Amino acid sequence: GAGVSQSPSNKVTEKGKDVELRCDPISGHTALYWYRQSLGQGLEFLIYFQGNSAPDKSGLPSDRFSAERTGGSVSTLTIQRTQQEDSAVYLCASSRAGTDSYNEQFFGPGTRLTVL
Amino acid sequence: SQQGEEDPQALSIQEGENATMNCSYKTSINNLQWYRQNSGRGLVHLILIRSNEREKHSGRLRVTLDTSKKSSSLLITASRAADTASYFCAENSGYSTLTFGKGTMLLVSP
Repeated sequence: GAGVSQSPSNKVTEKGKDVELRCDPISGHTALYWYRQSLGQGLEFLIYFQGNSAPDKSGLPSDRFSAERTGGSVSTLTIQRTQQEDSAVYLCASSRAGTDSYNEQFFGPGTRLTVL
Repeated sequence: SQQGEEDPQALSIQEGENATMNCSYKTSINNLQWYRQNSGRGLVHLILIRSNEREKHSGRLRVTLDTSKKSSSLLITASRAADTASYFCAENSGYSTLTFGKGTMLLVSP
């Protein structure tokens, strides 16, 4: 079966523009996660969805960042008025059941965002 | 959220040698997981060790866990050039999210 897919794979935008990043999780996975990884750094948690609701959005760095998930499947991460410090690889992951203590996360290939 | 730390930050070895990476974590975990990342893209799950386990094997991988020291180690035996990647530990403290460390960059030279 298909893995987690993300689009676009690369995005170059100008400072101040809005961007939308998309994640298609593995079919049947109820939990979905967004992370951000800056060059040479570890993963920074952004937001977690269980179904269509987001019980944990504590990692969103500012109110310019928002995310939604519809139909318990596709998720969109939106960054408004992008800044240069938003440049990073944005990774999406999904897992079978977020409340399972032994959840293995399956990652997409990421979207590399560059803000000029 | 706090991040654990991997040690060393970078490791360079020859093919056939063993590679050991260590991870210290912050919370009381339900499990600890190791992931691998090639070329700064998606991560691949390698192995999960539960808090009541002390050692686990999977192929050439061996993971140990010491909850009293809040540390874990990943051993890759008989390394290959294809093992070159970054390796991350991730702690699961009973909630749904994982907290990742900063990773160890492993370079295996032919």
